[in-house]
Amino acid sequence: QVQLVESGGGVVQPGRSLRLSCAASGFTISNYGMQWVRQAPGKGLEWVAFIWTDGSNKYYADSVKGRFTISRDNSKSTVYLQMNSLRGEDTAIYYCARVLAEHPDYWGQGALVSVSS
Amino acid sequence: QPVLTQSPSASASLGASVKLTCTLSSRHSSYPIAWHQQQPEKGPRYLMKLNSDGSHDKGDGVPDRFSGSSSGAERYLTISSLQSDDEADYYCQTWGTGIWVFGGGTKLTVL
Repeated sequence: QVQLVESGGGVVQPGRSLRLSCAASGFTISNYGMQWVRQAPGKGLEWVAFIWTDGSNKYYADSVKGRFTISRDNSKSTVYLQMNSLRGEDTAIYYCARVLAEHPDYWGQGALVSVSS
Repeated sequence: QPVLTQSPSASASLGASVKLTCTLSSRHSSYPIAWHQQQPEKGPRYLMKLNSDGSHDKGDGVPDRFSGSSSGAERYLTISSLQSDDEADYYCQTWGTGIWVFGGGTKLTVL
């Protein structure tokens, strides 16, 4: 069955960096776009970034553009989110999602990122 | 970019039906959307993609109790025979070129 498992979350100081990983199993990751979506405490879902099947195209929300980088290693069935210059408002649960054509059809359980001094 | 509007809350009784609404901005009234369910303390779950003509494609294992329909810029999610574990947040989502947008979500309470 399709599984997406996020890892790499934790507590980090403002201005520092963190890299999240999303390990995929149960399907051929190279056939799907992938995206990251986050949810701040008590808030709704916010789209963060998307990457095409082969990594040739990437898109970012304005709130993270220039600070976050999405990438993938299809040989390892893994998608990454490199987060630099972290701010308090980046505190959230970060979800990895498989994209079927245009929308997510499977989601992970999330990784908590807390930005605090 | 498209904007999606959802009522913050809804409630209905156990065994009854409820219809949740997601409204697209007028310029984007023909866009398809996706509905996602998020139960407390869990990751989201994809329910269905819903087109402007009301046709929809459900996710794996989504019960027949969940259905979608459309009218103009409005997209609906109807849940029939409500169960206690239908109590959750429901989000609609749409997309454009290089952008994905979520509605603010509707918190459904099952009485």
